[in-house]
Amino acid sequence: KAGVTQTPRYLIKTRGQQVTLSCSPISGHRSVSWYQQTPGQGLQFLFEYFSETQRNKGNFPGRFSGRQFSNSRSEMNVSTLELGDSALYLCASSLVGAPEAFFGQGTRLTVV
Amino acid sequence: GQQLNQSPQSMFIQEGEDVSMNCTSSSIFNTWLWYKQDPGEGPVLLIALYKAGELTSNGRLTAQFGITRKDSFLNISASIPSDVGIYFCAGQVGNEKLTFGTGTRLTIIP
Repeated sequence: KAGVTQTPRYLIKTRGQQVTLSCSPISGHRSVSWYQQTPGQGLQFLFEYFSETQRNKGNFPGRFSGRQFSNSRSEMNVSTLELGDSALYLCASSLVGAPEAFFGQGTRLTVV
Repeated sequence: GQQLNQSPQSMFIQEGEDVSMNCTSSSIFNTWLWYKQDPGEGPVLLIALYKAGELTSNGRLTAQFGITRKDSFLNISASIPSDVGIYFCAGQVGNEKLTFGTGTRLTIIP
């Protein structure tokens, strides 16, 4: 069974640009969560989607948004990039109602 | 909101030594999870705990769900070089999102 797939693995963007990251969950997993990881802040929860609906949202500005498609694939978008948005963005999928989350390899975003 | 304190923040040990780390919460959880993250990769689930007092092993790793439901412990026996990485605990109650600890960085001194 394929794991969680995130694309792209690496991305370099300029301040002010926008970026879209993609996540394909494990087959059969309908819940997808996104996290931002920076060296000093650990894993910070961004949002969670289930059945194309946002179920939970972390404490991030409105520049961070996401969506989920009918096949459970998810995307997150960051608009008007800032230097502080440089981080590893992780996607995790899980079965509905199950606490175990399985992570992808992440997308390393660098904003210059 | 809930906070998870993980300790120690970092550990420097020699190969072959045993390792102990723990995670404490200000409130109770129904589930505790332990993850390991290698540099540049996503966290990998190591052990899941579902009941207070539960003791579960995965190879050289053993984790325990504290009886107060506010803490969990992870032990690694006879450490090897591939054990290097960051270990995260995570807790969940009800249908709420996972809450992650701040991580314990394990380094093996040659």
